[in-house]
Amino acid sequence: DAMVIQNPRYQVTQFGKPVTLSCSQTLNHNVMYWYQQKSSQAPKLLFHYYDKDFNNEADTPDNFQSRRPNTSFCFLDIRSPGLGDAAMYLCATSYGRGSYNEQFFGPGTRLTVL
Amino acid sequence: KQEVTQIPAALSVPEGENLVLNCSFTDSAIYNLQWFRQDPGKGLTSLLLIQSSQREQTSGRLNASLDKSSGRSTLYIAASQPGDSATYLCAVSTQGGSEKLVFGKGMKLTVNP
Repeated sequence: DAMVIQNPRYQVTQFGKPVTLSCSQTLNHNVMYWYQQKSSQAPKLLFHYYDKDFNNEADTPDNFQSRRPNTSFCFLDIRSPGLGDAAMYLCATSYGRGSYNEQFFGPGTRLTVL
Repeated sequence: KQEVTQIPAALSVPEGENLVLNCSFTDSAIYNLQWFRQDPGKGLTSLLLIQSSQREQTSGRLNASLDKSSGRSTLYIAASQPGDSATYLCAVSTQGGSEKLVFGKGMKLTVNP
């Protein structure tokens, strides 16, 4: 089945230790998104790629970066995680933009910062 | 700035009831609205997408309606079952260049056997 895959499902890191989260998709979608969801809060978009075009949200901290080496993979890098970065990180994809832009989500990576 | 509200934040009902979940948004210039389901500790499962030109969409026991001019959407769940217990989130894709979905905080539904 075509899907969005995130690895690992659970990640524990230490305060200040860089961490990378991975997302891959078999849907061959053009757009990939990273959302952050803290406990009992709404998911919040960090950035997205339309093909190779990177789009950063204005309020995304500089501590968060992303790479998309090819259509299938997208990575979220947190350079120096703080306690406030503990959250569920959700990757999503969509075929394109506009009215038909249905987003499909992966299972998420739960990040714990010690 | 688009804001999405879901009230109430939680709902507990007995099995078999027909339910209406509400979602409101402040900016009517949207591309579409999506309803998602989230089980505890899991990702989001897309339930229905309503394009801005549509009034409603149906999938099985679920029916979602959209009134763009008034900034409202409802998700109707017929004959609720314990397996429907989850958090339901609505999200809108706003026109104007950004492709992000703006989410409500969700409504936690518990269906009791």
